[in-house]
Amino acid sequence: DVKVTQSSRYLVKRTGEKVFLECVQDMDHENMFWYRQDPGLGLRLIYFSYDVKMKEKGDIPEGYSVSREKKERFSLILESASTNQTSMYLCASTPGGRGTDSPLHFGNGTRLTVT
Amino acid sequence: AQSVSQHNHHVILSEAASLELGCNYSYGGTVNLFWYVQYPGQHLQLLLKYFSGDPLVKGIKGFEAEFIKSKFSFNLRKPSVQWSDTAEYFCAVKQKAAGNKLTFGGGTRVLVKP
Repeated sequence: DVKVTQSSRYLVKRTGEKVFLECVQDMDHENMFWYRQDPGLGLRLIYFSYDVKMKEKGDIPEGYSVSREKKERFSLILESASTNQTSMYLCASTPGGRGTDSPLHFGNGTRLTVT
Repeated sequence: AQSVSQHNHHVILSEAASLELGCNYSYGGTVNLFWYVQYPGQHLQLLLKYFSGDPLVKGIKGFEAEFIKSKFSFNLRKPSVQWSDTAEYFCAVKQKAAGNKLTFGGGTRVLVKP
């Protein structure tokens, strides 16, 4: 069974801090994604990656960056955290590269609070 | 930009009642359609999907969904819900022309009263 592990379940950070959210998957999936989940807005795609060292912007990339140095790890970086980035962050992965029809496998999420 | 609309934010119903959750999308091209579910305290998981063929698709736990292309809809149904169906349900649409990028609806929280 695919396992997508997010390093923290809960995080509390201060405005202006640099924040790293880590995600690791154990099934050699090519594709990895970062979403944020907010009530009434569903899931919105921040960034995704089809391969090591490549990244593409999703629908709401502003204020975020990502890093994919190894196939199994996809990091989301908040360069300078702001209160409007308080949210649940979800990492997901799929096999098969760009255009695959495989469903997403999600992690349990990281609930980030920025004060 | 494509959008995905789920008409109900919250649904409350009793066990054995029938459930139907609406989902409409705005993109006119070829799409793949999904329903995901998030049970309390658990991660999101796939409930069912439609790629092509029979527009009535069956998923896990007795759920089914019907793709109506002319209405740009993919509504989720279950004839008789159980308390364990209490969850948040998300419709998602993938444009074939957009690689593997999914657009999610806002979600519907379903509470089934025992």
